[in-house]
Amino acid sequence: AQSVTQPDIHITVSEGASLELRCNYSYGATPYLFWYVQSPGQGLQLLLKYFSGDTLVQGIKGFEAEFKRSQSSFNLRKPSVHWSDAAEYFCAVGNSGAGSYQLTFGKGTKLSVIP
Amino acid sequence: DAGVTQSPTHLIKTRGQQVTLRCSPKSGHDTVSWYQQALGQGPQFIFQYYEEEERQRGNFPDRFSGHQYPNYSSELNVNALLLGDSALYLCASSSVDRGGNQPQHFGDGTRLSIL
Repeated sequence: AQSVTQPDIHITVSEGASLELRCNYSYGATPYLFWYVQSPGQGLQLLLKYFSGDTLVQGIKGFEAEFKRSQSSFNLRKPSVHWSDAAEYFCAVGNSGAGSYQLTFGKGTKLSVIP
Repeated sequence: DAGVTQSPTHLIKTRGQQVTLRCSPKSGHDTVSWYQQALGQGPQFIFQYYEEEERQRGNFPDRFSGHQYPNYSSELNVNALLLGDSALYLCASSSVDRGGNQPQHFGDGTRLSIL
């Protein structure tokens, strides 16, 4: 069965500082990997996705993530955080190989930004 | 281009009642997945519909059922509501016919409260 671990429940960074959110997954084959962001009371917005190919993935809002198979990780990074980035971030893995897939999510990391 | 729309936004029910939640997928999408997000948790996969059939199911009891219509819209039905069913219910749509590597796009959810 697939699973996702986000080790950090809550992270606080200063505006302008760099950010790295950690994500480790468990899946038998090459997974589909995603990062979503959720603002309070809202649904999930897709930040970026990895299906295959280049292991460094660029997303929206200046975010990027790197797939490292040897470490079973897909960490999210941003070089300079803005106050509007404060939200909850979810890493998810999809069961690749099927015509469609189900997502398994981590428990999320809440990001607070200090002005 | 309308995204994924869900109705209603909020709903209050009492234990033992039944509820129906609705979802219209993003234009061009043919697959609908439903997720339950309890407070402070990541979303959990309930089931997925494609071509009007349930294709995949997560670890949820058969009190949770669904339907997909020819226009790809979908309903989630929950019978004999329990206090533990209180959650944000998220609908996600994607396109299988465009290939398996398509991201899922989420609606803003229905907040269900059980009294």
